[in-house]
Amino acid sequence: AQRVTQPEKLLSVFKGAPVELKCNYSYSGSPELFWYVQYSRQRLQLLLRHISRESIKGFTADLNKGETSFHLKKPFAQEEDSAMYYCALSGRETSGSRLTFGEGTQLTVNP
Amino acid sequence: DTEVTQTPKHLVMGMTNKKSLKCEQHMGHRAMYWYKQKAKKPPELMFVYSYEKLSINESVPSRFSPECPNSSLLNLHLHALQPEDSALYLCASSHPAVGGRKETQYFGPGTRLLVL
Repeated sequence: AQRVTQPEKLLSVFKGAPVELKCNYSYSGSPELFWYVQYSRQRLQLLLRHISRESIKGFTADLNKGETSFHLKKPFAQEEDSAMYYCALSGRETSGSRLTFGEGTQLTVNP
Repeated sequence: DTEVTQTPKHLVMGMTNKKSLKCEQHMGHRAMYWYKQKAKKPPELMFVYSYEKLSINESVPSRFSPECPNSSLLNLHLHALQPEDSALYLCASSHPAVGGRKETQYFGPGTRLLVL
């Protein structure tokens, strides 16, 4: 079975402070991990995937297979980063990618 | 065109009604998905179509009936729904997974459904 855990439902930081959104996963095979973001009244959109190793909007995430984690980090949070963030795992070997989402973390960046 | 579109944006229906949700993409994706999302909760997978064939049904009640008439369109037919089926219904698409690679899913804006 595949499972994603985001321990923090709510996270509040001040503008300019570092932010880390935690994500842990459980999967016996070789997963692919994603971070999706949902801004208020907007569609769910991809922020990062571990395989591309990109930095998007200043966010980075490193897959740590030893700790089964894929934490999302940004050194200096901005007010426009306020949104719901979902960590997701795709691990099923099917012809369509099966995403399992964590419960999400609502990030609020205060001025 | 790099977007997934969904119609209608909002839908109110009675428990005896029959309605359909529509999803369209022109990105050449051959995998399409229906998700259900309740307020403050993550999306939950309902169905996966790959090359226009149903490949995953997550034990969804038969009052939800998916259909993929061609590679660009995905429908969800609704009949005799219950109030607890009220939710945001999301469509997504991706390239099919090949050689173990998991492709990024692109989501539509959703249809907000209210069942009275």
